[in-house]
Amino acid sequence: EVKLVESGGGLAQPGGSLRLSCAASGFTFSSCKFHWVRQAPGRGLEWIAYISSSGNTIYYSDSVKGRFTISRDNAKISLYLQMNSLRAEDTAVYHCVREGADDYNFDYWGLGTLVTVSS
Amino acid sequence: QSALTQPPSASGSPGQSVTISCTGTSSDVGGYNYVSWYQQHPGKAPKLMIYEVNKRPSGVPDRFSGSKSGNTASLTVSGLQAEDEADYYCSSFTGTTLKYVFGTGTRVTVL
Repeated sequence: EVKLVESGGGLAQPGGSLRLSCAASGFTFSSCKFHWVRQAPGRGLEWIAYISSSGNTIYYSDSVKGRFTISRDNAKISLYLQMNSLRAEDTAVYHCVREGADDYNFDYWGLGTLVTVSS
Repeated sequence: QSALTQPPSASGSPGQSVTISCTGTSSDVGGYNYVSWYQQHPGKAPKLMIYEVNKRPSGVPDRFSGSKSGNTASLTVSGLQAEDEADYYCSSFTGTTLKYVFGTGTRVTVL
């Protein structure tokens, strides 16, 4: 069974930092591409970052570029999101998402971890 | 990159059909056959229902179907069932910027 479990969310102050982790199981992690997608409370989904299977190709949305860093450790079967210079508008549930084998879709999602940015 | 436009709500009685539209531009929906649809129940993670415009992942009932015309994609749920009541989001690859964009979301209510 494919499982993606996020952790590391919590309360952060504006300008602060948090590091999210995603533990994967039930499939060959190193062969898969991943994304982070967030959902602000009561709002829709927003794609924010992509990383290739090797980690060599990375893309970001304009809203987080320069502040967030996506990375992975294939040996630890984990995905990460380093979030710096946090803003109130970054408050959201952050989902770890696997890209489907056919590419260009999101076939498995974690339940997410809540990040709240507030003073 | 602006969100794709979906109607805020749609509804139908059990057994009826409901169709949700997803309107983008020639840079996303109209330019690529990489439109996908996701179902999200309250407090749950989104679930992939349709990919590449009209393909269904294993396990998704054939009551769910997708199509596209120009810059607008559509999801049709036929034979509505109570468990279909959820939020639905479309998504498209935007090749020009190598990014992804989601729709604004549609809440489907089964009357």
